[in-house]
Amino acid sequence: NAGVMQNPRHLVRRRGQEARLRCSPMKGHSHVYWYRQLPEEGLKFMVYLQKENIIDESGMPKERFSAEFPKEGPSILRIQQVVRGDSAAYFCASSPPRRGGDDTQYFGPGTRLTVL
Amino acid sequence: AQSVTQPDIHITVSEGASLELRCNYSYGATPYLFWYVQSPGQGLQLLLKYFSGDTLVQGIKGFEAEFKRSQSSFNLRKPSVHWSDAAEYFCAVVVSNFGNEKLTFGTGTRLTIIP
Repeated sequence: NAGVMQNPRHLVRRRGQEARLRCSPMKGHSHVYWYRQLPEEGLKFMVYLQKENIIDESGMPKERFSAEFPKEGPSILRIQQVVRGDSAAYFCASSPPRRGGDDTQYFGPGTRLTVL
Repeated sequence: AQSVTQPDIHITVSEGASLELRCNYSYGATPYLFWYVQSPGQGLQLLLKYFSGDTLVQGIKGFEAEFKRSQSSFNLRKPSVHWSDAAEYFCAVVVSNFGNEKLTFGTGTRLTIIP
């Protein structure tokens, strides 16, 4: 069973460009979480999605950031018009359908975004 | 809202020595508690978790953690560290409402091992 996959692993963008990050959850997992890790900091929650639904986007900046998890294909985190402050590691985690609360999140290797 | 405190930013121990990494959480009820490890340039690997039951939890790689409700703590321990344990360690909590179970992380403790 393959783990959570993220691509690309490294992404370099110039200011004003768009960044598109992909996350394929583990097989059988229908819940996806995105977290951001700024340099020298812990991970901060951004958004929680289920298939075709955004459940909680309270940690995501209101502008320029969007996320989706379509019925088919990976979850996408999209950052428009990137700025230097967007440089960070973005991690995706997946978990299985709820079965009474014992639901561990499994993390992907992350995408390291550098904005020049 | 819940919060997690890891008071030690950086810890250095000798190989073979014992280790304890501190974690305190702030929440009225008992949250679900996790320890993750992150090697440089890598993602997070789950070491262990506490949901309920026995307050002493065994994890992978010889790690264990003890949940102490009275102290709101969930400290990570290992009796004898190996050079390969050098990494960043994150404590995290989630308050499960059988819906959104987003993790709240501490700021991490960087572990350095010296020969």
